Amino acid sequence: GENVEQHPSTLSVQEGDSAVIKCTYSDSASNYFPWYKQELGKGPQLIIDIRSNVGEKKDQRIAVTLNKTAKHFSLHITETQPEDSAVYFCAASLSGGSNYKLTFGKGTLLTVNP
Amino acid sequence: KAGVTQTPRYLIKTRGQQVTLSCSPISGHRSVSWYQQTPGQGLQFLFEYFSETQRNKGNFPGRFSGRQFSNSRSEMNVSTLELGDSALYLCATQEAVNTGELFFGEGSRLTVL
Repeated sequence: GENVEQHPSTLSVQEGDSAVIKCTYSDSASNYFPWYKQELGKGPQLIIDIRSNVGEKKDQRIAVTLNKTAKHFSLHITETQPEDSAVYFCAASLSGGSNYKLTFGKGTLLTVNP
Repeated sequence: KAGVTQTPRYLIKTRGQQVTLSCSPISGHRSVSWYQQTPGQGLQFLFEYFSETQRNKGNFPGRFSGRQFSNSRSEMNVSTLELGDSALYLCATQEAVNTGELFFGEGSRLTVL
């Protein structure tokens, strides 16, 4: 089955700096790569996703890049703000088939210091 | 639209007991998935239901089971509870199967003593 590795497990940055979280996946058939943000006491919420036919996607201060050859994808947050502090999860799945499930990385605790 | 509703939010059980958790999806969402979240293992897939049928199952023992009703509401059950079952159980729903975004509830936090 799919295996997703996520690094780093914790990340501390100063407000205004950039943050980068990296993930690798094992199943070359995976074609959908979402990123979820989980705030304390809440369920994860989708912040951005990318499909395997796209190499990069951007939404305001966040961007995701995908390297299918290396089976690697990353989340980039620019101009970080204290409200970006949360746990971030990457995930991978084979979207479109009948067996749909997300395999998550173990999460990155991002702390943005004011 | 109301979000995904999970009940109860918190519960404490003792080893050997059983527990039932409930999930009401967003109106119109027919796919319901369950995930277990623990500090050591992160988010792990339990199972997914669509139109009252289990379509996919993760690598959990048979003590973990679920079902979905005709109104798309879902329940999961854990029998013969073990200490290691202590976790946050998250329900996630989709409008249809394989559309991409999962909408998560806030979870049911189970503590097994």
